[in-house]
This record gives sequence, structure tokens and C-alpha cells, in this order.
Amino acid sequence: EEQLVESGGNLIQPGGSLRLSCGVSGFAVSYNDMSWVRQAPGKGLEWVSVIYSGGGTDYADAVKGRFTISRDNSKNTLFLQMNSLRVDDTAVYFCARVEGHFDVWGQGTTVIVSS
Amino acid sequence: EIVLTQSPGTLSLSPGERATLSCGASQSISSNYLAWYQHKPGQAPSLVIYGASTRGSGVPERFSGSGSGTDFTLTISRLEPEDFAVYYCQQYDSSPWTFGQGTKVEIK
Repeated sequence: EEQLVESGGNLIQPGGSLRLSCGVSGFAVSYNDMSWVRQAPGKGLEWVSVIYSGGGTDYADAVKGRFTISRDNSKNTLFLQMNSLRVDDTAVYFCARVEGHFDVWGQGTTVIVSS
Repeated sequence: EIVLTQSPGTLSLSPGERATLSCGASQSISSNYLAWYQHKPGQAPSLVIYGASTRGSGVPERFSGSGSGTDFTLTISRLEPEDFAVYYCQQYDSSPWTFGQGTKVEIK
């Protein structure tokens, strides 16, 4: 069964850093495009970043230069390194497999940026 | 950036009724790279429709998608209790991938 499990969410002060993880089972993260999507409190879904199977990456303008997506093929895990966090980065962060569309999703991990 | 606008914001219907959700794009979406997702509070979003009209794996036949270019529709032929949720459209034609603001389908 294909499954994604996020972890690493926490309460963090503005300007801080956090690394999210997404453990993948049932398929190889290295052979698939993978993404992060977030949902701020009371808001809709917002695409954050993608890493392609070939290693290329792309980011939403809101996080470009602050967030870095990566993967560890040996651990079959996806990561999101978040630096210079802002209050408006507060959200539930979901990882998802990309088949053009997002076909498999995790349950999400909560990041709260507050002083 | 392609902006997606969903209507209505909220749809109040009874089980057994038909639901029609709309998604309009600010520019034409090529190859019908348009998906619909169902999202319930505290749960992972789930894929309903991709390619504008293809049901995701395990999605019941009462869900159908249609449209092309800039106008797309998700139809639920007869609402079941488990269908009450928020639905988002999403385009994957061009970066940045964008979502609509969502339509909440609530029990009347």
C-alpha cells in the first residue's frame, strides 16, 4: 500500500528554521515527482514545492529562497527545509506524490510560527 | 500565474440531491490538466478527478468531471453522506500549480 507520513511540525519563532520529513512506503521516492502542499488556518490549499525524479526543483514565489526541498533515496524520505520562517508560513504541510496531479497524500504535519 | 475561481463558495444540499461545482480559469488550461480533490477536516485530501474528466482510483461513478479551456465542472449525481466536504480544483498545466479557493458542500 502506498503511504506517506509527515513529521517534524512544531511551534517555532519567527525567523527560525524547521525541517519537515515525509516517510514514503509502497513506492520509491527516487522514481517519482514529489511535492509539498500547505493549508493555512481557515484557508485553501497552496502548492509549495516540487522535486522531480530527475532532481530538478521548483518553488512557489512565497517560499523561494527560504525553503529547500530534497530527498534521501536510501531512506525513501522527502524533506522540506524551511528557513527564515514567517508568521504567514503557519499551516498544515502535506506531502504528495505527483503524477501531474497529486494522486497520493499524507495526513499532514502542523507548523505554527509565532512569538 | 493561472488563477482558478470556484463557485459557489458553499453549496447546501440534502443527501440524494445533485451537486454541480464550477471552476473557472484566468487563462486556458491546455491538455485539460485540471484535477479535483475532496478534503475533509483533519484528513488528507483525496483525488477525485484528473485530466478534467477521469475518475481517480476507487472513486465512485456518481462523481464526474467535464469541461475544457477555461470552464470546468465537477458533478456529484446523488450525494451520499460521505460526500459532504470541501472540494478544490487545481491546474497542473503551468507553474506555479494553483488551486481554487474551494467549494464547501454542506448538509442542508
